[in-house]
Amino acid sequence: DVKVTQSSRYLVKRTGEKVFLECVQDMDHENMFWYRQDPGLGLRLIYFSYDVKMKEKGDIPEGYSVSREKKERFSLILESASTNQTSMYLCASSRRDRSYEQYFGPGTRLTVT
Amino acid sequence: DQQVKQNSPSLSVQEGRISILNCDYTNSMFDYFLWYKKYPAEGPTFLISISSIKDKNEDGRFTVFLNKSAKHLSLHIVPSQPGDSAVYFCAASAPKSSGDKLTFGTGTRLAVRP
Repeated sequence: DVKVTQSSRYLVKRTGEKVFLECVQDMDHENMFWYRQDPGLGLRLIYFSYDVKMKEKGDIPEGYSVSREKKERFSLILESASTNQTSMYLCASSRRDRSYEQYFGPGTRLTVT
Repeated sequence: DQQVKQNSPSLSVQEGRISILNCDYTNSMFDYFLWYKKYPAEGPTFLISISSIKDKNEDGRFTVFLNKSAKHLSLHIVPSQPGDSAVYFCAASAPKSSGDKLTFGTGTRLAVRP
């Protein structure tokens, strides 16, 4: 059974803290994605990566960075967390030749106080 | 600028009846469209897709219709079952030159009443 796992289901951090969200996939997928989901806004793409050490900005990259040192792992970094980054964060992966069929992790609900 | 729109935030349907979820898009470069389904506390899962060269794709109880001239697609679920209760996201993809991105709509929460 294919799997995308995220390091935490729930996370509470303080304003200004550096936050790391980890995502691991076991499907040998080339592509990996980070989204945030907010009520009334749907899923918005933060960053994506189509290969190790490669990254592309999505629609809302401000305040975030990413790291992909290994094919199976994609990390999202909030350099200095702010309250407007309180959200549900979803990681996904896909094959390069079927990039539209994305497999999602269960999400991390991040609260920044 | 919301390029993919789902104007109905919620829909309630009786079990056994048809559920119709709608989606509109503005970007004429989109060439592939998808529906994802999301249960609470889980990530979205891929449900069904359609290429822009087709106007209909069917998979069991699920059918997606595409009207390119109207920039509109819809998902039909027949017959609806209580287990179909979830949030449904419409998504669209542009050609490879735009990267491997999907643009998602805001979602429609479907409730199927027993």
